[in-house]
Amino acid sequence: KAGVTQTPRYLIKTRGQQVTLSCSPISGHRSVSWYQQTPGQGLQFLFEYFSETQRNKGNFPGRFSGRQFSNSRSEMNVSTLELGDSALYLCASSLELTGGDTQYFGPGTRLTVL
Amino acid sequence: QKEVEQNSGPLSVPEGAIASLNCTYSDRGSQSFFWYRQYSGKSPELIMSIYSNGDKEDGRFTAQLNKASQYVSLLIRDSQPSDSATYLCAGKYSNYQLIWGAGTKLIIKP
Repeated sequence: KAGVTQTPRYLIKTRGQQVTLSCSPISGHRSVSWYQQTPGQGLQFLFEYFSETQRNKGNFPGRFSGRQFSNSRSEMNVSTLELGDSALYLCASSLELTGGDTQYFGPGTRLTVL
Repeated sequence: QKEVEQNSGPLSVPEGAIASLNCTYSDRGSQSFFWYRQYSGKSPELIMSIYSNGDKEDGRFTAQLNKASQYVSLLIRDSQPSDSATYLCAGKYSNYQLIWGAGTKLIIKP
């Protein structure tokens, strides 16, 4: 079974621009979560989507948004980029049938804001 | 406020010894726990999940859960240099959200 895929893998943007990151979950997985990780930091939860609905949301400004499509693929968008948005953005998928399912991570998208 | 806490380390362990990683959580509502390993520049990968009190073994890894004391631990036996990584602990709550610890950096010295 193919794993979680994320595109693009690397991205360089300038301040003020916007960016869209894509995540394709493992086949059959309905939950997709997004995380931001900066050097030396743990995982900061952005949001989680399940069956096209945002089910949980972290403490990030409204510049960060996301959506999930009917095929469970997800996108996240960051508008008006700031230098501090430079980070590794990770997507994770899970079945979420029982609430105890494991999250499987994609390779991440490394965003650099200049 | 749901929290999961880990000592950031680094924890330095000689090769061949047992590495012990600990994690405490604040909310008794947590239903399941996960240990992930993350190498520098890579994404986290699952080591073990544990849902019930007691020990769960998988090869050189043993996860321990004590819900009464609200802690989770991971033991790595016969530590190898390839085990050097950051270990992340996470607890899942009834709203399906994972709460993550900041991670413990483990260094295995040859």
